[in-house]
Amino acid sequence: DQQVKQNSPSLSVQEGRISILNCDYTNSMFDYFLWYKKYPAEGPTFLISISSIKDKNEDGRFTVFLNKSAKHLSLHIVPSQPGDSAVYFCAASAVSNFGNEKLTFGTGTRLTIIP
Amino acid sequence: DGGITQSPKYLFRKEGQNVTLSCEQNLNHDAMYWYRQDPGQGLRLIYYSQIVNDFQKGDIAEGYSVSREKKESFPLTVTSAQKNPTAFYLCASSITAGGTNEKLFFGSGTQLSVL
Repeated sequence: DQQVKQNSPSLSVQEGRISILNCDYTNSMFDYFLWYKKYPAEGPTFLISISSIKDKNEDGRFTVFLNKSAKHLSLHIVPSQPGDSAVYFCAASAVSNFGNEKLTFGTGTRLTIIP
Repeated sequence: DGGITQSPKYLFRKEGQNVTLSCEQNLNHDAMYWYRQDPGQGLRLIYYSQIVNDFQKGDIAEGYSVSREKKESFPLTVTSAQKNPTAFYLCASSITAGGTNEKLFFGSGTQLSVL
C-alpha cells in the first residue's frame, strides 16, 4: 500500500524554465511533508519541508505547495538549472506519541534539466 | 566535520552468508534509521532506533537485524534469511525521535550485491 505516490517517474525540463514535481498521499494523518534530492550513489539531502498548517513554503528557487483537501503537494523549481538534475523524493510523516517519526517516502521522480 | 559515515561503499555477499553494514554518526543525534532503496520503489524503512539499547522494526525488517549499543553506531546485519538482499542501503539520523517536524540526515549509502 503506497501511501505516498509520485506518479511521474521522470521529467525533462529546459534550463531556465520551471520544474514542477508532484506528490499525492492517501493517509489523512500525515501532517509534515518534505522533499529530498538524491544524486546517484549518494544519500538523499534535505531540500525543503512544509507543515500542514501552511499551504506554501518558499526557499530561494524552491517552493512547496500543499493542498490538504486534495492530499497533494508539489515542488516548484524556478529557474531550473543543470545542477538540479537528480531524483527527487517526496516524504511524509504523522504525529505519534513520540512526535513526528518514520518518514514514508514516495518512489521518486528523476528530473533532467536540458541545457 | 559532523556527519553520517557508512561503510563499506560496496559490499558483496555470497549465498548463505551474513554481512554487516556499518553506520556511524557524530551529530549527537538520538534517533537512527536504516532504509533500503530498490529501483522504482523509493526508500523503505527496515529498522529504527530512538534511543540506545532500543530499536523497532520498520516495514521490511524480515531477514535483517540491528543493534544499538552506542549512541553513535547503528550497524545493520543482512542475514542469509534475506532472499533478495541486492539493494542500496541508506542509514539516517535525526536529532530526536520525540521531536516534531524532524528531518532526517542521510549517509552516502552502501551498495550490496549478491555473488
